Amino acid sequence: GAVVSQHPSRVICKSGTSVKIECRSLDFQATTMFWYRQFPKQSLMLMATSNEGSKATYEQGVEKDKFLINHASLTLSTLTVTSAHPEDSSFYICSAQNSVPYNEQFFGPGTRLTVL
Amino acid sequence: QQQVKQSPQSLIVQKGGISIINCAYENTAFDYFPWYQQFPGKGPALLIAIRPDVSEKKEGRFTISFNKSAKQFSLHIMDSQPGDSATYFCAASRKQGAQKLVFGQGTRLTINP
Repeated sequence: GAVVSQHPSRVICKSGTSVKIECRSLDFQATTMFWYRQFPKQSLMLMATSNEGSKATYEQGVEKDKFLINHASLTLSTLTVTSAHPEDSSFYICSAQNSVPYNEQFFGPGTRLTVL
Repeated sequence: QQQVKQSPQSLIVQKGGISIINCAYENTAFDYFPWYQQFPGKGPALLIAIRPDVSEKKEGRFTISFNKSAKQFSLHIMDSQPGDSATYFCAASRKQGAQKLVFGQGTRLTINP
């Protein structure tokens, strides 16, 4: 149980284009999902907290107009990187939080974004 | 106060040995302490977690020791195997509500055969 999927697993795009990443909780409902960014050999950096049916809460320094988050259902959250630039190239990871029995976070496999 | 400090940054252990990774926190409101294992190119996987009402939790070869007064917790991997070679992250959060995880800096563990 507690499986989280991400799609796509890797994407290469041209500078200026937008990329959408999907995060799904496959066997549980997640009222809260989180989006992280990870640079090579570094820890996970929380970008935003996504709550189903409401606006995402962004961490300080994260541009909400650049990283659009939608959490339309209890099993799906999406992250759209708008007008991507090479510096947006990174490993993006989502997590979904269950509520029963504890508020544990389960992570997706990650999406490797390369912007040319 | 929100930081979780993890050490060592890297660790090399011989096969069959004990791997020990330590973490320290400041925020006394934290009451959930998970450890995650991450292989290259993959997302972190929940390994084991502890709450402050117990001082130790064991699952197979993995044990968390928790010292509430010192605000420290550690991961012990017994009989370390080459397949345990990965990056390990400790984290902390509050268990109530949608609380954010605060991650340690990570430890790159290498188990030599």
